[in-house]
Amino acid sequence: QKEVEQNSGPLSVPEGAIASLNCTYSDRVSQSFFWYRQYSGKSPELIMSIYSNGDKEDGRFTAQLNKASQYVSLLIRDSQPSDSATYLCAVRLINAGGTSYGKLTFGQGTILTVHP
Amino acid sequence: GAGVSQTPSNKVTEKGKYVELRCDPISGHTALYWYRQSLGQGPEFLIYFQGTGAADDSGLPNDRFFAVRPEGSVSTLKIQRTERGDSAVYLCASSLTASGLATDTQYFGPGTRLTVL
Repeated sequence: QKEVEQNSGPLSVPEGAIASLNCTYSDRVSQSFFWYRQYSGKSPELIMSIYSNGDKEDGRFTAQLNKASQYVSLLIRDSQPSDSATYLCAVRLINAGGTSYGKLTFGQGTILTVHP
Repeated sequence: GAGVSQTPSNKVTEKGKYVELRCDPISGHTALYWYRQSLGQGPEFLIYFQGTGAADDSGLPNDRFFAVRPEGSVSTLKIQRTERGDSAVYLCASSLTASGLATDTQYFGPGTRLTVL
């Protein structure tokens, strides 16, 4: 089982709809969770970070974290064609001593297409 | 301010050659990370530095890969005896710290696309 799993898609939604992107992770000592957006040929760009259970909203984006079920999701409201990109879920673990590993573990990414 | 920069943006080399990829992190960032991304995959961790020292090199695939950060700023990823399977985009990221706090947000550079013929 991969440490971080995402549905590779593509996920296609009409303009103005809500896009829902999901990510599951296998390691219960995961500490921090990130959503990056990556346009074709470009580097990942941070969209949201979330550290505690529940929802975190930032503009049209909402990240949801459920540590008991080991999933994190990203909702994009009022989707725009400019949101078309690959969305990468990333997880940072903590070690047995309670300190953070620096590295991020990424899922394979979900391709989102927003059509007019 | 300036973001993470990487040079070269593209590198084409022949199998068996040696290559160096350079990363210049955001000024003041103490942590620097190298990742490798193959087509259709998420970035895969290689190594990270806290200051001048490699804090975690568990992602380096074999001893052909080596990275340095001698003055705690610029880092160089070195690949010896390149193989076709090394072809990928090599991404560098930096963060203010690596302590597990909100200040650990990693900012990525534009990447170096390495092609081994």
